[in-house]
Amino acid sequence: DADVTQTPRNRITKTGKRIMLECSQTKGHDRMYWYRQDPGLGLRLIYYSFDVKDINKGEISDGYSVSRQAQAKFSLSLESAIPNQTALYFCATEGPSYEQYFGPGTRLTVT
Amino acid sequence: EDKVVQSPLSLVVHEGDTVTLNCSYEVTNFRSLLWYKQEKKAPTFLFMLTSSGIEKKSGRLSSILDKKELFSILNITATQTGDSAVYLCAPYRDYKLSFGAGTTVTVRA
Repeated sequence: DADVTQTPRNRITKTGKRIMLECSQTKGHDRMYWYRQDPGLGLRLIYYSFDVKDINKGEISDGYSVSRQAQAKFSLSLESAIPNQTALYFCATEGPSYEQYFGPGTRLTVT
Repeated sequence: EDKVVQSPLSLVVHEGDTVTLNCSYEVTNFRSLLWYKQEKKAPTFLFMLTSSGIEKKSGRLSSILDKKELFSILNITATQTGDSAVYLCAPYRDYKLSFGAGTTVTVRA
């Protein structure tokens, strides 16, 4: 089984809808991250969390919110989806040596 | 915002060739620099470099970091079609990675 899983893997939604992307990990890592990736751009950090009580904004947090339900679970929500949020979204965990491990990604399309 | 520039943006080589990928950055006081390989799916971890001048090797891949001149190089020797991917570099500072846009490597048989 994969150490970092994401659901759904693909999603098409309409403008204005609320959507949640979920991430679970079995690595036992405390630090978790959400990124988005757009063609021609690198991965950009949306939010990160050091534990269930410690959540921090990344460089592009506007329009997104997160919830850290447990050490193993970190969810990303788009409160009111807009077309420019169409992207590939990755969740990652961070090991004790500061290397990050990525989930398989969620391809989100907002029409 | 930390700036990371990777070059070239893309390249096409034939099996057996050697490729050199460049990563320059405007990030100081970072803990480490990481390299990832992305093949149409999640990035997979390749290397972490923490000290300047020490080359890291893994099979046909090697990488070196120059903290003074603010760049890193990833070399792939005897390339194979399975090396076709986007290669990403990312300095790590303050518990955050700053990714470059990546270099797309295509290896033709």
